[in-house]
Amino acid sequence: DADVTQTPRNRITKTGKRIMLECSQTKGHDRMYWYRQDPGLGLRLIYYSFDVKDINKGEISDGYSVSRQAQAKFSLSLESAIPNQTALYFCATSDRAGGGVNNEQFFGPGTRLTVL
Amino acid sequence: AQSVTQPDIHITVSEGASLELRCNYSYGATPYLFWYVQSPGQGLQLLLKYFSGDTLVQGIKGFEAEFKRSQSSFNLRKPSVHWSDAAEYFCAVGNSGGYQKVTFGIGTKLQVIP
Repeated sequence: DADVTQTPRNRITKTGKRIMLECSQTKGHDRMYWYRQDPGLGLRLIYYSFDVKDINKGEISDGYSVSRQAQAKFSLSLESAIPNQTALYFCATSDRAGGGVNNEQFFGPGTRLTVL
Repeated sequence: AQSVTQPDIHITVSEGASLELRCNYSYGATPYLFWYVQSPGQGLQLLLKYFSGDTLVQGIKGFEAEFKRSQSSFNLRKPSVHWSDAAEYFCAVGNSGGYQKVTFGIGTKLQVIP
């Protein structure tokens, strides 16, 4: 089984709808991240969480919110979806041990979201 | 602020040929550097990473990268490319600050022709 799973894998929705993307991990990592990927822009950080009670905005958090329901679950919500939120969304995890940054991030398979 | 530049958006090489993907970074101190690979329909997978020590780093799948401080570069190399190496490659730089932010480049898409 995959260590980092994302649901749904694909979603098409309409402008103004509320959408939730879910991420679960079995790696036992404390740190979780949400990124979006757009062609020509690479990966940009939306939100990150170092533990259940520690949630922080990334570089492009406007229009998004998150919930860390448990160590293993980190959800991303679009309160009112708009077309420029059409993108590929990735969840990732990393281990706190060793200071964090020198440990790799483990990525889920991604969710392709289309907002019409 | 830290940043990463991958100057080649798309590269085509013949199977069996050597490969070098370029990466330049901007960071005030010693950076933490990573190369990730993204196969079609997949998430990113770490190929290799550099934090300190030997500037030539070996990774998975036969890849290596060399950290050159004087050139602010961390280029990825492979001596002989296989068709299965066709993917998108991302260079990333991490800092040593409180958040330990990781910044990704825009990616280089590798096409391998027979």
